[in-house]
Amino acid sequence: DQQVKQNSPSLSVQEGRISILNCDYTNSMFDYFLWYKKYPAEGPTFLISISSIKDKNEDGRFTVFLNKSAKHLSLHIVPSQPGDSAVYFCAAFPTGNQFYFGTGTSLTVIP
Amino acid sequence: GAGVSQSPRYKVAKRGQDVALRCDPISGHVSLFWYQQALGQGPEFLTYFQNEAQLDKSGLPSDRFFAERPEGSVSTLKIQRTQQEDSAVYLCAGTPRGSETQYFGPGTRLLVL
Repeated sequence: DQQVKQNSPSLSVQEGRISILNCDYTNSMFDYFLWYKKYPAEGPTFLISISSIKDKNEDGRFTVFLNKSAKHLSLHIVPSQPGDSAVYFCAAFPTGNQFYFGTGTSLTVIP
Repeated sequence: GAGVSQSPRYKVAKRGQDVALRCDPISGHVSLFWYQQALGQGPEFLTYFQNEAQLDKSGLPSDRFFAERPEGSVSTLKIQRTQQEDSAVYLCAGTPRGSETQYFGPGTRLLVL
């Protein structure tokens, strides 16, 4: 049973435009959410996180939005750059417990 | 070290062979997690240590899988009598004290023939 879902396996965006990656979860006990970025042959790299007490967290070009009532979070990248091309995983967990990962969205930023 | 390291990076095993995968976390990482990532999937939890104590092993797929962290630093994931379905990337992650963020190693890609 997939508790964290990323329904778009891939996304292509023009350089300079906004990339929006989406993630849905089913477990209302999740209270901390993270986005990881993964290049081929490397482990996931932490990008940005958000606690359930917030609805937005921003770090440079990256912003994560959380809609608890809809059990939905999204990652916005603006402006998108070719170096952002990677697979993005969202992860969620109840505090102090294991992470649950989505299946990933492969982002391609076209120069 | 600068980051979490894992060895070997790649391992090819014959079906039935035992393998041992090593994780060297960052010094000070109290918590250590192992994940299995199949092709096209997200990482899936295997087991979790806090220092040397294995607090959760609910994700280990069978009793052929065994993990240890005897001194609370380096951890080894052992797979006995490997099967083809064990082929995956095995990721190790550590969490600093007081943080919820997990920092991942590069993974070990295991191929069982």
